[in-house]
Amino acid sequence: SQKIEQNSEALNIQEGKTATLTCNYTNYSPAYLQWYRQDPGRGPVFLLLIRENEKEKRKERLKVTFDTTLKQSLFHITASQPADSATYLCALGEGSARQLTFGSGTQLTVLP
Amino acid sequence: GAGVSQSPRYKVAKRGQDVALRCDPISGHVSLFWYQQALGQGPEFLTYFQNEAQLDKSGLPSDRFFAERPEGSVSTLKIQRTQQEDSAVYLCASSKTGAGANTGELFFGEGSRLTVL
Repeated sequence: SQKIEQNSEALNIQEGKTATLTCNYTNYSPAYLQWYRQDPGRGPVFLLLIRENEKEKRKERLKVTFDTTLKQSLFHITASQPADSATYLCALGEGSARQLTFGSGTQLTVLP
Repeated sequence: GAGVSQSPRYKVAKRGQDVALRCDPISGHVSLFWYQQALGQGPEFLTYFQNEAQLDKSGLPSDRFFAERPEGSVSTLKIQRTQQEDSAVYLCASSKTGAGANTGELFFGEGSRLTVL
């Protein structure tokens, strides 16, 4: 069956450290993968998109990698800040399908 | 406004009542999506519109769920004879691009939280 798995538990890290979130998928062939941030009571907000032929993408303190052999994406936040505390969602897009399929998210807490 | 607007933000319904949730997407956005998000879970796809055409409704959980976008702008998600399992946040998202175009980010609204008693 198809599965998207993100860090199974909440992730707590100290301010200034690098947070690494994982997204593993099974029985999907994504053409691209997106990461979103969601704060409590709010809708998800787009952060980054990476395509299947791209290994790595960066945006300011954010970096995402995409390994189609391992069927995994890693999302890094460097020099983390308490304001980075939120739930982070990965989402897969397959071929011509327009909808994204989301993982269940990882709740990140950056401790001051 | 500049973003996707959803109303009502909160809705409490008694079991068996019908509800209607409204989404006003970003002006000019071709694609509109409805997602359902249960507590502690990621959004799950319900249905997709390209302009006024409903191109995919494979995620609608039952025939009690109905969505429309008659003029290719505002969309309404209607749930008939609500059940307790319908309690969730209903998210609307829009995107500039249409089907077959390059991938585009989704712009989400704040959601409508439905509680069925």
